[in-house]
Amino acid sequence: GENVEQHPSTLSVQEGDSAVIKCTYSDSASNYFPWYKQELGKRPQLIIDIRSNVGEKKDQRIAVTLNKTAKHFSLHITETQPEDSAVYFCAASIANTGTASKLTFGTGTRLQVTL
Amino acid sequence: ETGVTQSPTHLIKTRGQQVTLRCSSQSGHNTVSWYQQALGQGPQFIFQYYREEENGRGNFPPRFSGLQFPNYSSELNVNALELDDSALYLCASRPASGGTYEQYFGPGTRLTVT
Repeated sequence: GENVEQHPSTLSVQEGDSAVIKCTYSDSASNYFPWYKQELGKRPQLIIDIRSNVGEKKDQRIAVTLNKTAKHFSLHITETQPEDSAVYFCAASIANTGTASKLTFGTGTRLQVTL
Repeated sequence: ETGVTQSPTHLIKTRGQQVTLRCSSQSGHNTVSWYQQALGQGPQFIFQYYREEENGRGNFPPRFSGLQFPNYSSELNVNALELDDSALYLCASRPASGGTYEQYFGPGTRLTVT
């Protein structure tokens, strides 16, 4: 089955700096890669996702890149703010409408943005 | 916030007991998945329901079972509770048509087994 590894497990950056979180996946059939942000005691919140037919996607301060050949994808957060502090999870899925779309999650990265 | 709701918020059970957790999917979403999130870990896929039938299952024993109803609400049942079942249980819904892959999570049910 799919295996997703995520690094680093913790990341501390100063406000305004950039943060990068990296994930690798094992199953070349995976075609959908979402990123979730989870604040303490709250639900995972989808912040950005990318499909395998795209190499990069950007949404304001957040971007995701995908390298299918190397089977890794990364989350980039620019101009970090204290409210970006949370645990971030990457995930991979063999997604198809109407069929099982199991998300396999990484182990999470605790991001702390300091003033 | 998404339209996915779960009940109850918290639950304390004793080892060996049975528990039922409930999820109400977002309007228009007819696929629901359940995940178990142990403390400090990522969510682990339990199973998925589409049109009231299970159509995918993770590495969980048969004492984890589910139901999906015609109104797309669903239940997760766990029998013979074990201490290791203590976790946050999340449901996630998505539309099964329209080419959308996004899954939106509910707030979760925190289960403690003593």
